[in-house]
Amino acid sequence: DTEVTQTPKHLVMGMTNKKSLKCEQHMGHRAMYWYKQKAKKPPELMFVYSYEKLSINESVPSRFSPECPNSSLLNLHLHALQPEDSALYLCASSQDPSGGVYEQYFGPGTRLTVT
Amino acid sequence: GQNIDQPTEMTATEGAIVQINCTYQTSGFNGLFWYQQHAGEAPTFLSYNVLDGLEEKGRFSSFLSRSKGYSYLLLKELQMKDSASYLCAVVSRNYGQNFVFGPGTRLSVLP
Repeated sequence: DTEVTQTPKHLVMGMTNKKSLKCEQHMGHRAMYWYKQKAKKPPELMFVYSYEKLSINESVPSRFSPECPNSSLLNLHLHALQPEDSALYLCASSQDPSGGVYEQYFGPGTRLTVT
Repeated sequence: GQNIDQPTEMTATEGAIVQINCTYQTSGFNGLFWYQQHAGEAPTFLSYNVLDGLEEKGRFSSFLSRSKGYSYLLLKELQMKDSASYLCAVVSRNYGQNFVFGPGTRLSVLP
């Protein structure tokens, strides 16, 4: 199974709402990633978890809060977002990058619209 | 810092060959990936180069020259389904082995 799943596929939320994005993989990967992708732009790295610990936070605003409950799951909690946060949010996983360079497997993404 | 550049858009004809270039400047270079991304879908892995030379995988080949900071993706026998964005991603030891994506090249294959 080389699949990364993400839910929901689409999300519309108001600026005062609280919502969560979910990501799951069962490949035994110990690194998981959140990326943000705006239209016609490349993915931008937001967070990296390695062995369930946050290893990189790319200066992301605190209205985005990641969580890694276990080695297969990754969440992104959203609160008080702005319209400019509307984007495709991609989750990815790979073998632990501290051990070498590995391909990242991407999920299909959650299309987020903030109204 | 890192600087990665790709042409924004390219157009080619079905059955033809197209070469998509990627130039980069980085320290601690540790490999370069190519991904394909159809509109609204996940990026999918195409190739990985860490040593100089050509890697061939069916209709797709990728080349790397570390001294020139240059890579290309070669697509042969183009098909309509190859219309997509092609992203190069550079990995650097100085950046925790994480991906930094180039701007991407949108390829349109015409009949």
